[in-house]
Amino acid sequence: GENVEQHPSTLSVQEGDSAVIKCTYSDSASNYFPWYKQELGKRPQLIIDIRSNVGEKKDQRIAVTLNKTAKHFSLHITETQPEDSAVYFCAVSSGGNDKIIFGKGTRLHILP
Amino acid sequence: EAQVTQNPRYLITVTGKKLTVTCSQNMNHEYMSWYRQDPGLGLRQIYYSMNVEVTDKGDVPEGYKVSRKEKRNFPLILESPSPNQTSLYFCASSWKARDYGYTFGSGTRLTVV
Repeated sequence: GENVEQHPSTLSVQEGDSAVIKCTYSDSASNYFPWYKQELGKRPQLIIDIRSNVGEKKDQRIAVTLNKTAKHFSLHITETQPEDSAVYFCAVSSGGNDKIIFGKGTRLHILP
Repeated sequence: EAQVTQNPRYLITVTGKKLTVTCSQNMNHEYMSWYRQDPGLGLRQIYYSMNVEVTDKGDVPEGYKVSRKEKRNFPLILESPSPNQTSLYFCASSWKARDYGYTFGSGTRLTVV
């Protein structure tokens, strides 16, 4: 079945710097790759997604890139702010069925 | 307001006492799913449903049951809860799992003693 690896598990960056979180997946038939942000004590919320026919997508300070050949996709956050502190999860829609598999999450700390 | 409503938010129960966590969405979404969230393990899929009367196992279905008799409701049933089912549970819904992201419920923190 599909396997999703997310790195790093914890990331600390200075406010104003950039943060990058990477996920790799195993099923080459997977075709939808969303990212979720979960603030402390809250539910996960969709922040950006990308489909397999697109290589990059941007929304203000966040962007996602997809490399289908290498089977990895990354979340990029530029000009980080204190409110970016949260746990971020990548997810993959399994190509062979309708399961949605999540990575284990990255805890992002924005340092003042 | 478009939302996924889960109840209860918090529940403490004893081993073996059957319980149901309810989930309802008002967005006419076809796909609904249950996840459990445990420290260091992320979100693991328990069951999912692509439409009414269609349900499938996720990665951790043991000890759980679900039903989808109406499009808007997707209850999670624990027939005989055990302490290893102590967790934070999320219900989520989507237009279609492969193409659209989830809207999550607010979560249910379950403790089984």
